[in-house]
Amino acid sequence: SQTIHQWPATLVQPVGSPLSLECTVEGTSNPNLYWYRQAAGRGLQLLFYSVGIGQISSEVPQNLSASRPQDRQFILSSKKLLLSDSGFYLCACKQGGGVETQYFGPGTRLLVL
Amino acid sequence: GQQVMQIPQYQHVQEGEDFTTYCNSSTTLSNIQWYKQRPGGHPVFLIQLVKSGEVKKQKRLTFQFGEAKKNSSLHITATQTTDVGTYFCAVTGGFKTIFGAGTRLFVKA
Repeated sequence: SQTIHQWPATLVQPVGSPLSLECTVEGTSNPNLYWYRQAAGRGLQLLFYSVGIGQISSEVPQNLSASRPQDRQFILSSKKLLLSDSGFYLCACKQGGGVETQYFGPGTRLLVL
Repeated sequence: GQQVMQIPQYQHVQEGEDFTTYCNSSTTLSNIQWYKQRPGGHPVFLIQLVKSGEVKKQKRLTFQFGEAKKNSSLHITATQTTDVGTYFCAVTGGFKTIFGAGTRLFVKA
């Protein structure tokens, strides 16, 4: 079964600083990959998804970007963080081919001060 | 785009009481999934329902898919403190999975 790694687990960054969150997946190939953000006590907001290397779909216009340089690597970035970027960032993967189950990584808690 | 409404937003129960969360859609769904997120953790897949009127059980949890495939429910019998967390329903649309807002369950011992 799939294993998803995310790091760091927690991060405190000043406003205006850059961001890079990495997600790697083991145990599967050609997965669909997803970045979600969850505000405290709230639901899951889909930010980006990717169906293959170099393919990125953005769901919400914002100052974040995503990249998929390798099949099992998904990166979330920002050039300048805003206070509103604080939240719990979750990477998820789905095998595709009719299998709808999403597997989530442990998440990164980001606090922008 | 496809949306699902989930109610209630939160619920407090006494340990041993039952709990139900509901998920509703205005459109017919091909399938629906349920996830549980423990406090401080990440969502974990519980089950997927595909067939009209389908009912599945996992120990004290009963999942139901409506006959019209527009609604679903998760029922927990005799809640325990280990049931605390947020329960999400989710539906797939193309490559995307759309999650409900979640129902947060509090269980008082």
